[in-house]
Amino acid sequence: DTEVTQTPKHLVMGMTNKKSLKCEQHMGHRAMYWYKQKAKKPPELMFVYSYEKLSINESVPSRFSPECPNSSLLNLHLHALQPEDSALYLCASSQGNEQFFGPGTRLTVL
Amino acid sequence: AQKVTQAQTEISVVEKEDVTLDCVYETRDTTYYLFWYKQPPSGELVFLIRRNSFDEQNEISGRYSWNFQKSTSSFNFTITASQVVDSAVYFCAREGEYGNKLVFGAGTILRVKS
Repeated sequence: DTEVTQTPKHLVMGMTNKKSLKCEQHMGHRAMYWYKQKAKKPPELMFVYSYEKLSINESVPSRFSPECPNSSLLNLHLHALQPEDSALYLCASSQGNEQFFGPGTRLTVL
Repeated sequence: AQKVTQAQTEISVVEKEDVTLDCVYETRDTTYYLFWYKQPPSGELVFLIRRNSFDEQNEISGRYSWNFQKSTSSFNFTITASQVVDSAVYFCAREGEYGNKLVFGAGTILRVKS
């Protein structure tokens, strides 16, 4: 299995909602990442987990809360988001420095 | 921050033309890695190539080729005989100084018309 999967593909939520994005990989990779990508921009790193521990937080607002329950799963919990948080959220995993990306979740905050 | 610059915002070509996408990077590191990714309209980032700083050999993979010039800090990507399916956004990236931290260029939109 050489892919990273993400669910859901699309998500629409209100500013008072709580939702979660899920990412899964079964390649045995020990590093996992969340990126945010706005339209016509490159991906921006949000979080890095290494061996299930948070190793990088790029000063992301606390309304985004990552979680790594085990080495194959990565979640991003969303709460009280703003319309400007609407974007494509990409998950990636790596062993070494070649990152494999999932298809992304397209999030719209109303 | 050590930047990656893709000066071409958008390129349009007609099918079967060759096209080169430019990438210039900044680095203070002796060891670093450079990457190219393709992002089709579906959104998924597709890995194309990784090159480490000690390997300056050019690489060819089918219609794709890469030219790594350390002296000019460039890592250019050429598509030969372009096809409509090559239409996508292409990102050049380097591994940041702390490892596992990709720094992306702004991307180049490639449109291939039939």
